[in-house]
Amino acid sequence: EAAVTQSPRNKVAVTGGKVTLSCNQTNNHNNMYWYRQDTGHGLRLIHYSYGAGSTEKGDIPDGYKASRPSQENFSLILELATPSQTSVYFCASGGLGVGNTLYFGEGSRLIVV
Amino acid sequence: GDKVKQSPSALSLQEGTNSALRCNFSIAATTVQWFLQNPRGSLINLFYLVPGTKENGRLKSAFDSKESYSTLHIRDAQLEDSGTYFCAAEADTGNYKYVFGAGTRLKVIA
Repeated sequence: EAAVTQSPRNKVAVTGGKVTLSCNQTNNHNNMYWYRQDTGHGLRLIHYSYGAGSTEKGDIPDGYKASRPSQENFSLILELATPSQTSVYFCASGGLGVGNTLYFGEGSRLIVV
Repeated sequence: GDKVKQSPSALSLQEGTNSALRCNFSIAATTVQWFLQNPRGSLINLFYLVPGTKENGRLKSAFDSKESYSTLHIRDAQLEDSGTYFCAAEADTGNYKYVFGAGTRLKVIA
């Protein structure tokens, strides 16, 4: 069974502070993704990656950076957190080609005060 | 506008009955995935589809790329089917970038 682990699971941050959300996958998948989930919007793609060293902008990248230092790890970085970034963040991994099933982590709940 | 539109937005089903959820795409979807977000918040993959159909137990899904829609049929609904169902479409072959719909909230009642 594919495994995607996120940390922290819950975080309270202050406005203007730096937040790093981490994701680790043991599936040896090339592709990794960061989504945020807000009521009424479903999941919206922030950044994604095709492999170590690669990061791509998703549909809502403003205010976020991403880092993929290795096949297993993908981080989402909020350099200057704002209250509008209060949300639940999901990381996912997926393989290549036919059957690129996405496997999600359990989510990270971030509150920016 | 919405690239992936799901309907209905919410649904209440009597246990043991059947229903169908739908996604309409305004993008040229090449692959589709369906997920269930359970009441604890976990996202579980149900189907990965290229054009065609798949079946798994009481669930059956179809994807028609020419008509730009996908359906998820639930047969003999059970209480544990409750949650929010999401579809996600890959817009271009090979970019592996998925756009999600806003979801269908399903409640199965005894």
